[in-house]
Amino acid sequence: DIQMTQSPSAMSASVGDRVTITCRASQGISNSLAWFQQKPGKVPKRLIYAASSLQSGVPSRFSGSGSGTEFTLTISSLQPEDFATYYCLHYKSYPLTFGQGTKMEIK
Amino acid sequence: EVQLVESGGGLVQPGGSLRLSCAASGFIFSDHYMDWVRQAPGKGLEWVGRSRNKANSYTTEYAASVKGRFSISRDDSKNSLYLQMNSLKIEDTAVYYCARSVYGGSYSDQFDFWGQGTLVTVSS
Repeated sequence: DIQMTQSPSAMSASVGDRVTITCRASQGISNSLAWFQQKPGKVPKRLIYAASSLQSGVPSRFSGSGSGTEFTLTISSLQPEDFATYYCLHYKSYPLTFGQGTKMEIK
Repeated sequence: EVQLVESGGGLVQPGGSLRLSCAASGFIFSDHYMDWVRQAPGKGLEWVGRSRNKANSYTTEYAASVKGRFSISRDDSKNSLYLQMNSLKIEDTAVYYCARSVYGGSYSDQFDFWGQGTLVTVSS
């Protein structure tokens, strides 16, 4: 099985900061990776698919990059509504696996 | 408008069974794969399993944690997806989400829409 390791597991940042979350796969997954945002008590929302394709309707401050085993989600200028938990998901093979999540908190 | 509505959650004793349903609308259900994802209280997301479409013989895939106990099926005539859960364990307690998945060999629709979730509590 392919394991996904996200870092950091939690972080605090300020409005306007540029932030980056990393996801590492235990083996190469090409670009078969998606990123999700989840706010407390809410349904996960897809932000990025195919590692770098922005979901329709998602603000352009969100971007994804990477291929193979290392991937990043970047928020160019953090907004108040961005404080949430973020997950990566690989879909290269079965079983699909999520990263353990990164909780973004207000500094 | 794409909508996914789960139902069937509730309280069940360890060893018991439960069947979840997911009613889909607003898209061509029969063309899409469909997935189940769960989230234990205060924990992260866990993929549960997948149903492929008719073109792919409705075959299924499961996470190791549920394989042999859970079964995914679908009724395209009712635009509905099901999750039959048997031999339930306390660790199966979670919110269960259905999500739209692969379409026509493209992954662009995968996990783009989710239901609101249904809570399953396994407890004596």
